[in-house]
Amino acid sequence: GAGVSQTPSNKVTEKGKYVELRCDPISGHTALYWYRQSLGQGPEFLIYFQGTGAADDSGLPNDRFFAVRPEGSVSTLKIQRTERGDSAVYLCASSQGGYAYEQYFGPGTRLTVT
Amino acid sequence: AQRVTQPEKLLSVFKGAPVELKCNYSYSGSPELFWYVQYSRQRLQLLLRHISRESIKGFTADLNKGETSFHLKKPFAQEEDSAMYYCALKGGSEKLVFGKGTKLTVNP
Repeated sequence: GAGVSQTPSNKVTEKGKYVELRCDPISGHTALYWYRQSLGQGPEFLIYFQGTGAADDSGLPNDRFFAVRPEGSVSTLKIQRTERGDSAVYLCASSQGGYAYEQYFGPGTRLTVT
Repeated sequence: AQRVTQPEKLLSVFKGAPVELKCNYSYSGSPELFWYVQYSRQRLQLLLRHISRESIKGFTADLNKGETSFHLKKPFAQEEDSAMYYCALKGGSEKLVFGKGTKLTVNP
């Protein structure tokens, strides 16, 4: 079956602009996660959804970052007033929900802020 | 605080040699530990998790709570094992905490 998909695969934007990154989870997966991976680092947790609600948003770095999952499937990560330090690969993962289930990762969106 | 340390950024071995990728963690409770692998131009994928006690692609990892370690081992490395390896921890919540990763190169 289809895995987690993310669009776009690459996004170049100017400092100060607004961007949206999309994640399509595996069908039927109730849990969705966003991570950010900066160059030379491991993935860093941003936010976790269970269904439509954000169950844990403790990893969002500041209020410029926001994510939604209105129908419990597709999620959008929104970044306002982008800064050069936001440049990274943004990874999405989904799982069947619950502590024991494996997280399946998407290919990522590479965001470059110029 | 939850932390995962992978002390080796790069590791290079010859085909057929044993390989060990080190991982140490910091967590006050009972963690769940994972190894993820990312092959060139592929997405991050789960290699193994300590609760499964499986051997995947010849790799094993044992959780040592006394030393707070979860080192990944393979007795005979293959060229197709060349990849980025990330150790990760779950500590009482859904989020994964990753180390910085080790790039393994297996030379012919």
